[in-house]
Amino acid sequence: GAVVSQHPSRVICKSGTSVKIECRSLDFQATTMFWYRQFPKKSLMLMATSNEGSKATYEQGVEKDKFLINHASLTLSTLTVTSAHPEDSSFYICSASQLTYESYEQYFGPGTRLTVT
Amino acid sequence: GQQVMQIPQYQHVQEGEDFTTYCNSSTTLSNIQWYKQRPGGHPVFLIQLVKSGEVKKQKRLTFQFGEAKKNSSLHITATQTTDVGTYFCAGSGRSNYKLTFGKGTLLTVNP
Repeated sequence: GAVVSQHPSRVICKSGTSVKIECRSLDFQATTMFWYRQFPKKSLMLMATSNEGSKATYEQGVEKDKFLINHASLTLSTLTVTSAHPEDSSFYICSASQLTYESYEQYFGPGTRLTVT
Repeated sequence: GQQVMQIPQYQHVQEGEDFTTYCNSSTTLSNIQWYKQRPGGHPVFLIQLVKSGEVKKQKRLTFQFGEAKKNSSLHITATQTTDVGTYFCAGSGRSNYKLTFGKGTLLTVNP
């Protein structure tokens, strides 16, 4: 099946610093990548949708200047949490999809646990 | 906006018992997907249902999509300890491909 990697898996940073998370589709070209946030024992909350070569589409309530998304190629998207604060601590998960006419499934990366101290 | 409700939130069963989780959407869906997330892991795609009234089976798992394409269910027959995890349904509307996830059902199985 399709494999999606995420790096780093865990990161601890100090308040006020920025953190970059990478999401890569390893064996397929992803036309679209999604970034989610998951709080403990909660569901996945979509933050933004990223298409290669174009600006990301952010969900309502998600600050685009705080969560910078770059989708430079069909296999790589990055999420940068700028000026991180403790409330940004969360599990960030990316997913990648080819979004064909008949197929909408998303393949999820292993997630990145961000802790802001 | 689109909302997807999922019940129950938790389900504890004895190994060998059956398990069902239900999903309801506030709007008609173009497709519904099911994912499984093991404790400490990430969601893993299980299946996609597209057609009204569709039923699909994967070994002990049976997935159904309602006639009105607004509800779905996942049924596991004779649960095993390997079935432990949170099962999420996720629906996509007609006009876009974004998934709206249900809150998930955490299944625990007593051996």
